[in-house]
Amino acid sequence: GQQLNQSPQSMFIQEGEDVSMNCTSSSIFNTWLWYKQDPGEGPVLLIALYKAGELTSNGRLTAQFGITRKDSFLNISASIPSDVGIYFCAGASNDYKLSFGAGTTVTVRA
Amino acid sequence: GAVVSQHPSRVICKSGTSVKIECRSLDFQATTMFWYRQFPKKSLMLMATSNEGSKATYEQGVEKDKFLINHASLTLSTLTVTSAHPEDSSFYICSARVSGGTDTQYFGPGTRLTVL
Repeated sequence: GQQLNQSPQSMFIQEGEDVSMNCTSSSIFNTWLWYKQDPGEGPVLLIALYKAGELTSNGRLTAQFGITRKDSFLNISASIPSDVGIYFCAGASNDYKLSFGAGTTVTVRA
Repeated sequence: GAVVSQHPSRVICKSGTSVKIECRSLDFQATTMFWYRQFPKKSLMLMATSNEGSKATYEQGVEKDKFLINHASLTLSTLTVTSAHPEDSSFYICSARVSGGTDTQYFGPGTRLTVL
């Protein structure tokens, strides 16, 4: 599949700060997914979005499915050290395949 | 729920040998599973779609005779890297989609393959 445009590529943040990252695509997706991957591990699902305009929260995480179906953002509020990792967005199309963003590497300064 | 396991987590083999990696959905049935390869500091690259009871669908540029996929049951898919060479060394990750469910894919923990 195509690679989505994910930004920023990396960020250094202070503990307690809010974090925001987003993904855009030239194609429409049916589903937007956000994953977190720790070194040497597989991606872990954070939030799944199934409907255009949908805003979903999971603890300190909030994500939205863009109304055009071509974008999504993920917010992390009040970051803590364990938020360190690589965050990937992914979009699913009709054939169930996922297209991934290049990832956002988050490093938290204590 | 939606737990996917992979075995082995790490494997080191000699050049020319074959290696089998198993992917299991532990608490759900998965008609469709996916195999990915990930290079250091890169995103996931889809290799193939594994369909229970039928042949896998490979992405362009992936050699089907090199990477054999078998999906014999609704909870198990296997990837066999045949005649492995050092350039096959990589992190291989599988995912599974709940049968009859949404597009959401649940990922396994990955297998680190090192070919000497």
